[in-house]
Amino acid sequence: DAGVIQSPRHEVTEMGQEVTLRCKPISGHDYLFWYRQTMMRGLELLIYFNNNVPIDDSGMPEDRFSAKMPNASFSTLKIQPSEPRDSAVYFCASSLARVWKTQYFGPGTRLLVL
Amino acid sequence: GESVGLHLPTLSVQEGDNSIINCAYSNSASDYFIWYKQESGKGPQFIIDIRSNMDKRQGQRVTVLLNKTVKHLSLQIAATQPGDSAVYFCAENTPHGTALIFGKGTTLSVSS
Repeated sequence: DAGVIQSPRHEVTEMGQEVTLRCKPISGHDYLFWYRQTMMRGLELLIYFNNNVPIDDSGMPEDRFSAKMPNASFSTLKIQPSEPRDSAVYFCASSLARVWKTQYFGPGTRLLVL
Repeated sequence: GESVGLHLPTLSVQEGDNSIINCAYSNSASDYFIWYKQESGKGPQFIIDIRSNMDKRQGQRVTVLLNKTVKHLSLQIAATQPGDSAVYFCAENTPHGTALIFGKGTTLSVSS
């Protein structure tokens, strides 16, 4: 298995632009998680899905952030409009329901908003 | 605020020594505590977990200890190797049970 796949790996954009991050979870996994990592705030859970349904989005910073999971093999995290404080590494992770503690993380997308 | 935190941000050890990484938590209702390792430029990787009704759990070269009285969690790495150099995070499950809250992390540096 290729593991969790994220794209792009790096993104540089200007303030006000729309940013879309993509994730392909491990095939067969029931859960998908989006995290944001910064030096100041560490690794924060933004939102997670179970069987494509959003379960908890309380970690989404504000309305500028949205996430979708149209099918079991694809999810997006969108920021519109982006701001410099959104600069971070965004991770996607997936897990099986029966071993949910073992989350498999993707390589992350490093986002820089200028 | 953070419900899971670390006592020390960095730990430097010599190859072959044993390492102990500590973590404090505040949510007594958590069912599981988990340790993850993050190498530079990569996503976190699961190491070991312990259920709240256990005090100790051992894996390969790693041991996790849980002291519920003082809400303290530790990860012990035996015979630390250069490949163990990474940031180590403790985490606990959310009130919903199937997501994780991560602490800030401890950087472990192993010198040869």
